[in-house]
Amino acid sequence: DAKTTQPTSMDCAEGRAANLPCNHSTISGNEYVYWYRQIHSQGPQYIIHGLKNNETNEMASLIITEDRKSSTLILPHATLRDTAVYYCIVRSSNAGGTSYGKLTFGQGTILTVHP
Amino acid sequence: DVKVTQSSRYLVKRTGEKVFLECVQDMDHENMFWYRQDPGLGLRLIYFSYDVKMKEKGDIPEGYSVSREKKERFSLILESASTNQTSMYLCASSLSRGSSGNTIYFGEGSWLTVV
Repeated sequence: DAKTTQPTSMDCAEGRAANLPCNHSTISGNEYVYWYRQIHSQGPQYIIHGLKNNETNEMASLIITEDRKSSTLILPHATLRDTAVYYCIVRSSNAGGTSYGKLTFGQGTILTVHP
Repeated sequence: DVKVTQSSRYLVKRTGEKVFLECVQDMDHENMFWYRQDPGLGLRLIYFSYDVKMKEKGDIPEGYSVSREKKERFSLILESASTNQTSMYLCASSLSRGSSGNTIYFGEGSWLTVV
């Protein structure tokens, strides 16, 4: 799976949009971009994923650049409960066997939402 | 919503004890996984099951075994607990591999301390 680069930390005011960037310049054509977050002492929570097109769900929006070398996760109205470590991961849809279960969580971005 | 439920959030066991960690998912997922997460080491796959009674070793299976007698339930067994197995254990599940089935959903995690 391709490597990703994220800023170490970011701050956001409550009620404002949080825009979390991710670089994945070595992404290949069959790799999806996934976002998870992890609040301290809890399991990772799936947020959203995409291949080429921008995606939106009830939690967030995912904007993927046309060349797919980077993406941005947008939390439209951040709340204090959104404070967490956010992980950007690229995963192949063709992985087989135990490769399928391998998830490389990098350092992620520590997002702090403040009042 | 996908629900992956781990039976115990916090456990303290003695060295040499046999430990059972239970996991249940309610979305009829074919795939289930056990990981452990340690600071600085990220997420490491212990075992993977793609069907009832089927299992594959992950990256760190030594000292562990698994059981999948029913589709919704996947158990991790520490045959003889040791202090180096003190960790957070994460159960996860997903649909069969495929473009829409790559999303892996996690449970809340089980914090195991072996003394």
